[in-house]
This record gives sequence, structure tokens and C-alpha cells, in this order.
Amino acid sequence: AQKITQTQPGMFVQEKEAVTLDCTYDTSDQSYGLFWYKQPSSGEMIFLIYQGSYDEQNATEGRYSLNFQKARKSANLVISASQLGDSAMYFCAMIPDTGGFKTIFGAGTRLFVKA
Amino acid sequence: DGGITQSPKYLFRKEGQNVTLSCEQNLNHDAMYWYRQDPGQGLRLIYYSQIVNDFQKGDIAEGYSVSREKKESFPLTVTSAQKNPTAFYLCASSTGPPGELFFGEGSRLTVL
Repeated sequence: AQKITQTQPGMFVQEKEAVTLDCTYDTSDQSYGLFWYKQPSSGEMIFLIYQGSYDEQNATEGRYSLNFQKARKSANLVISASQLGDSAMYFCAMIPDTGGFKTIFGAGTRLFVKA
Repeated sequence: DGGITQSPKYLFRKEGQNVTLSCEQNLNHDAMYWYRQDPGQGLRLIYYSQIVNDFQKGDIAEGYSVSREKKESFPLTVTSAQKNPTAFYLCASSTGPPGELFFGEGSRLTVL
């Protein structure tokens, strides 16, 4: 079955420190895409970063990087230098077939950044 | 600014009533989606549309209906057949697979 698992319901991090949010995925497809989205309390989902299954380098976008370990089927999000505004829900997501339209979401991790 | 507009933001409905949620985008995206989010859970796909006048069921389509008569618009009707309609509904669009999704601010539906 195609599935995204996020095992951390909640995480705390001190401001200015780095934090890793875990994500494992399950798919039998060879070609797939992995995403991370942020959902602030306002409710809108915001795209953060994308990793294709054939990309050899880990994706980075500013303070966000995706630690992609294909053999372990993990796609962890690393946020460096956390800021108070990073407090939100974070969702890992996957398109099992990069030609498809059905993005699958994990249950999310709520991140709390402490001052 | 380009984006996705959902309305209403909050909606209350009595049991047995149909309700329609609006979703409009000016991003010129071909693909549009409706997701449902329940507390403590991720998003689940209700319907998606790859192009005008075409749409497909997602994982939880029962009790919902959609139309796609214009590229910019993808309204969702929550019918009385939906047994547990209270939820947060998110509309999204994309340029196509495997591109990222652009979301609206959501509509929170409460059935009284």
C-alpha cells in the first residue's frame, strides 16, 4: 500500500537551533515525488520543498533541506536556525507516480519553537 | 496577486442540507483539487480535475459532487448523503504532475 508515515505528533525546538522532522514512505513505484508542506494556524498549506525519486542530490530551499535516503524510504525535513514563525503543522506528502495527480499526505507533525 | 480564493471561510449547515463551497483560481493552472482535513489527520483527496469539463473521484468522493465548467472555478457540493461532513475543506491547484500544490485558505464546514 502507498503510505506516508510521520511518527512525531509534536516536536519542540529552541529558537535558532536546527530540527529534523521524520517522514517515511511506502510505494512500489520507481518514479515518485516527495513534498513537504507547512500549515500555519491560518489553515493555508504552503509548499516548502520537493525531491524527485531520481534526484541524486538532497533538495534545499533556504533554511529547509530534505534528507532523502532512498534505500530506507525516508525523506526527513531539516529546518536550520529555527524561528518563532516556524511554529506550525508540517506535512510530508508523496505523489506515488510522478505522472499522476493523487498526492498522499501523512498525518503531520506539529512543531513548537520556543523563545 | 495570483492565488486561490475559497469561500465561505466558515459555514454552518443543518443536517439534510446540501452546501456548495466555492474555489476560484487565477494562476492559469489546469489541475484543481479538493481535499478534506479532519483534526489530527492529514489531507484526503475528494475529487480532482485535470482539465475543464473533466474530473475524477479521489479516495473519499462519496457524498460529494463537483463541476468544472471553467478553468478558473471548481466548486464542491457537500450533499446530504455525506454522513460526516463537519471538516476543514481545502482547494488546491497545480500546473500538473508532479508539481507542487497551491492551496486556498480553506473552508470550515460545521453541521449542526
